This record gives sequence, C-alpha cells and structure tokens, in this order.
Amino acid sequence: GENVEQHPSTLSVQEGDSAVIKCTYSDSASNYFPWYKQELGKRPQLIIDIRSNVGEKKDQRIAVTLNKTAKHFSLHITETQPEDSAVYFCAASEGGSYIPTFGRGTSLIVHP
Amino acid sequence: GAVVSQHPSWVICKSGTSVKIECRSLDFQATTMFWYRQFPKQSLMLMATSNEGSKATYEQGVEKDKFLINHASLTLSTLTVTSAHPEDSSFYICSARVRGRETQYFGPGTRLLVL
Repeated sequence: GENVEQHPSTLSVQEGDSAVIKCTYSDSASNYFPWYKQELGKRPQLIIDIRSNVGEKKDQRIAVTLNKTAKHFSLHITETQPEDSAVYFCAASEGGSYIPTFGRGTSLIVHP
Repeated sequence: GAVVSQHPSWVICKSGTSVKIECRSLDFQATTMFWYRQFPKQSLMLMATSNEGSKATYEQGVEKDKFLINHASLTLSTLTVTSAHPEDSSFYICSARVRGRETQYFGPGTRLLVL
C-alpha cells in the first residue's frame, strides 16, 4: 500500500517568513495530492490540491509543487500570519480508489 | 456548498454501552463516506470506507463487529461503537465524497470519552 512521509513534524516561524512542508510517497500510481489544514479541535479543511499532470499550483499565499519522478510534493506558505498556525496534513491517493493515505502532520507555529 | 455535519459533537458514556455517531452530507449526495479516528497530536487513521447501499470495507486491524458502519442513504452514514471501553475514547471524524471526485469533505468530528 501507499506510504506517506511528512517532514518536519513541527515548524516554528516568525510572522512574515515563508514555511515549507515536505512529503514523499511510495506508490507511483498515486495521482492526487491534497493538503489539509486542521486547527485545534476542528475538522481538516482542504486548502489546496494538485494532480499528477501538473507540476505546480498556486493560490494566493499558498503553493504546492510536485515532483513525480522523485515522488515528493511540498506545501509552500509565503508571508505567514499567526492565523496560519495549525496542523497541516498531506495526503496521496491513487486515481481508481481515491482513498487517501495521510502523512503524520506538521504543526506550524507562526509567532507574531 | 459541500457541508458535512456530524452528531453528536461530543459524548461521554459508561463502559459497556454503545454509542452511535451520525455523519450527514447536507448539500450533496455522498456515494462514499469515510470514518477516521484521530488520537491527540496524531494523524488521521482510516477505519473504514462505506459506499451507499453496500457493506463497509474495514482497514486492517479495525474490528467490524466493534465498529458497526451503516450507509443507508446518499446523505447519511452511521458509526456505532459497540460495548465501548475506555480505550475507544478518541476523536472520530467522518468525511464524504461524491462518486468519481477526489475531494473529501470532513465533518466537524465527535469526541468520545468512555468512563
């Protein structure tokens, strides 16, 4: 089955800095890669996703890059704000089943 | 759009009782619903996948007689924790998806505490 590794487990940055979270996956058949943000005690919310036919996708301060050859993808947050503080999960899923495998999560702390 | 609700949001029960958690898609038809368990500061652990009108598919290590899942309609799935014990205490989250679409929409979660 799919195995998703996520790093770092904790990331602490100053407000205004950039934050990068990296994930690797094992199944070359995976073709859909969503990122979720989960605030304490709340539901995970989709913030951006990318499909395997695209190398990069951007939405305002958030971007995701995908390297299919190396089987890794990354989340980039620019100009971080305190409200970006949360746990971020990456996931990978294969097109047929769309059942995602989640990474272990990254706790992002943005200091004002 | 794409709102998923979960009820109850939290429940405290005595050991040995059964607890039912409901997951509803409010504004779309969910052909597939997922049930996850999440321990503090840990990732989402998929428990089972349920498709409307068919039996749920359980992940390895999840007892299907312990965690009963029913997906009787396109907008409702239920998880029943039978004979709950303190080790079943956790945060249970459902998600819903439309057939053929990748995106999952998560419910707000149910915090279960078994005394």
